[in-house]
Amino acid sequence: QVTLKESGPVLVKPTETLTLTCTVSGFSLSNARMGVSWIRQPPGKALEWLAHIFSNDEKSYSTSLKSRLTISKDTSKSQVVLTMTNMDPVDTATYYCARINDYGDYVYFDLWGRGTLVTVSS
Amino acid sequence: SYELTQPPSVSVSPGQTARITCSGDALPKQYAYWYQQKPGQAPVLVIYKDSERPSGIPERFSGSSSGTTVTLTISGVQAEDEADYYCQSADSSGPVVFGGGTKLTVL
Repeated sequence: QVTLKESGPVLVKPTETLTLTCTVSGFSLSNARMGVSWIRQPPGKALEWLAHIFSNDEKSYSTSLKSRLTISKDTSKSQVVLTMTNMDPVDTATYYCARINDYGDYVYFDLWGRGTLVTVSS
Repeated sequence: SYELTQPPSVSVSPGQTARITCSGDALPKQYAYWYQQKPGQAPVLVIYKDSERPSGIPERFSGSSSGTTVTLTISGVQAEDEADYYCQSADSSGPVVFGGGTKLTVL
């Protein structure tokens, strides 16, 4: 069974750095043409893509958030980690990780984790 | 980056056909994807590469593309189809873009 599970702090203070971990099972992060993405959704709002990393370690970031984001993977641990610096209350959202099962001149997400709600407040 | 535009809401009666559109200048060159999100749940892929349906998705879900607009069609809408629907597009060099979402109400 293929699953993705997000973990990380529920509450962070403004200006702090957020570190989220996506632990996957049922597939390998080294599989060809596979990857993992992070996507967030503020309460009551639309989905917003943040970053993704492919099995070949190629990375891509949201243009508007690129300066604050770092994505990495540990294939041996089946984990993908996202860090976001200088957190602000507007970053309050449910953060999802999602699997990229195929890509080329296209990217899409065939399976999603359940998400983790992160609140930014002092 | 570019934008994908969806209507905020669509309403249909059970058994009727719902059509949700998504418009974007890049859509003639890039595939579109559709996700269904029910309250409190993660999104689920319902259409990929404009018109392909993943396994396990009912046949009443279909997708089409024409110029700068793609359409998600749900034939014979059921109460369980009430949800938010998001379109998405991208190329492998990034960025990935989501539409603003459409709330489907089954009357």
